Amino acid sequence: ETGVTQTPRHLVMGMTNKKSLKCEQHLGHNAMYWYKQSAKKPLELMFVYNFKEQTENNSVPSRFSPECPNSSHLFLHLHTLQPEDSALYLCASSQSQRGPYEQYFGPGTRLTVT
Amino acid sequence: GQNIDQPTEMTATEGAIVQINCTYQTSGFNGLFWYQQHAGEAPTFLSYNVLDGLEEKGRFSSFLSRSKGYSYLLLKELQMKDSASYLCAVSLDAGKSTFGDGTTLTVKP
Repeated sequence: ETGVTQTPRHLVMGMTNKKSLKCEQHLGHNAMYWYKQSAKKPLELMFVYNFKEQTENNSVPSRFSPECPNSSHLFLHLHTLQPEDSALYLCASSQSQRGPYEQYFGPGTRLTVT
Repeated sequence: GQNIDQPTEMTATEGAIVQINCTYQTSGFNGLFWYQQHAGEAPTFLSYNVLDGLEEKGRFSSFLSRSKGYSYLLLKELQMKDSASYLCAVSLDAGKSTFGDGTTLTVKP
């Protein structure tokens, strides 16, 4: 248990669906991250929020839309996804983006797009 | 761009010592992290180096040479539970981290 929770753990969605991934951290951290982890590929940083402000968008397609209402919660809204978006989506948090500080990862959401 | 190289796979025997190497070429450097990731689980933090030299934490040690763009993770007295993927990550300026592909370590009895 790392102090970072993610729901759902598994998600299967069609290309026309809209769904949201949720992440919550109980560590009092100020930075939160979304990563994509595909088979045989390194972790890819998608978005970074520092003190609720988005500081990084790593050229992510607009069908992925993040939301950070407060420092403890992070969402990833999904719509009109493609099969190649199937992957493990990991949320992480750290004390601050301006570190370096180690990141604490949630268990991930295994997403399958059909 | 950023480039981090690690071996894809390694195999070692229970009780032995294994060294996992990581070389990097990045625009900016603010420290190097090692994470452990068991299959189907989240990565967990193992170690951090920002100065040259060796950092020891129990059975795990990590070494850094900034001039050579090189780090290694040393695992001693290997146990079966050490079978996992080991990720090398470089912290760049402005707080971004870039990850290597990971090294899958298999520990055999």
